[in-house]
Formats: sequence, C-alpha cells, structure tokens
Amino acid sequence: QLQLQESGPGLVKPSETLSLTCTVSGGSISDTSYNWGWIRQPPGKGLEWIGSIYYSGDTDYNSSLKSRVTISVDTSKNQFSLRLTSVTAADTAVYYCARFMVSFGGRGFNIWGQGTMVTVSS
Amino acid sequence: DIQMTQSPSTLSASVGDRVTITCRASQSVSSWLAWYQQRPGKAPKLLIYKASSLESGVPSRFSGSGSGTEFTLTISSLQPDDFATYYCQQYNFYPWTFGQGTKVEIK
Repeated sequence: QLQLQESGPGLVKPSETLSLTCTVSGGSISDTSYNWGWIRQPPGKGLEWIGSIYYSGDTDYNSSLKSRVTISVDTSKNQFSLRLTSVTAADTAVYYCARFMVSFGGRGFNIWGQGTMVTVSS
Repeated sequence: DIQMTQSPSTLSASVGDRVTITCRASQSVSSWLAWYQQRPGKAPKLLIYKASSLESGVPSRFSGSGSGTEFTLTISSLQPDDFATYYCQQYNFYPWTFGQGTKVEIK
C-alpha cells in the first residue's frame, strides 16, 4: 500500500531555509488521480495547508506563505519537496506531506506521512 | 481566504453518546468539504469527503451532512477510539483552509 515519508533537518536557524522531502513508496507520484501536498501544525495548534503540486509540476500555494514557499517534484525519484525561506520561530511545526485525490472533483487528503517536527532556533 | 469555524471547540461526552460537530464556512464551499480525525501525536485521518461521503474503511457510525456554508459531523455512538480532535477542511477555493479543531474529551 502507498506510504509517504518525510525527511529533512529537525532544526533550522532563523533566517535560513527549511528543506523537506517526501518520498512516495508503494505507488507512483505520476498518478493523475492525485496531487501531493504539504500541511503543517504548530505545537498545540491546528492544521495549515502550505501548498500542493501535481506530477506535472503545476503548483498551488497558500497566499500567506507564497513569497517564501517552493514545492517541487522529482518523478524519477518518486519524491516531492518543500522549501521555505527566511524562517522564523513562527515556522516551528510538525510538517506533514499528504496525498489528495483529485478525481471526481476531490476527495480529501486520504494518505498522510507520519509528520516531521521542525524547530526554528539558533 | 475562506474561514472555517468549528463549534464547539471542546466537547465532553461519554461512550455511547451521539455527538455532533458543526463547521461553518465564511462563504459557500458547495459540498467540497472533508472531515479528519487526529489522535495525539498522529497524523490526521480522512473520515468524510465531499461533505457526506464516507471514506473507505471508516466505521459507519461516522456521518457527514450539509452544503454551502454549514456542515455537521455526527458520531452516532461514541466509542473509546473516537476521543480525538476533529477538523473540517474546505477544498473548493485556494487557499484550502481548515477549521480550528474540535476536541472530543471523555466526560
């Protein structure tokens, strides 16, 4: 069955760039029925959608982060990645990657990674 | 951005109770709404999509209803595994937005 796994540094210094990768196993990232998203959750708080990408490379971003976010896809490695620049303590969160079914108009994020905690601190 | 407001923020209930959580959108999202369950330290789990469609493998005690701006998630008979936090999410308009969450606690 399809699984997602986030990877990347758990500690990032303020003003630097946060980089995470999500590896898709048990299925193809090129499946046109899905897009692939990043969602984050600050400690003790709710969920925030960061952005999503299709296998083609088309992206949609949360406008609140758009100037700092880049999501990319590498179909040869079955991975997609998140870059968030100029981070501050407010970017400290658990970062999840997830698969969204786009068929039939959309059916939600139905598979999630386990999440990875990223702390922004000097 | 569309704001999603859930009520209540916290709900105390007992095993066997019928539980209803409400999610209101600041403008119509048609039926493009999902519900998720999140247990502490775990990733969210999709329960309901398109407002009322039950995700495969989710127990039938969970149901969703509504359209436009008002939606409900109902658990017909609360089970021990159901004590968790529940989130709604609209995916009609970018940016996709989540409600603030409703924590279901043991009474």
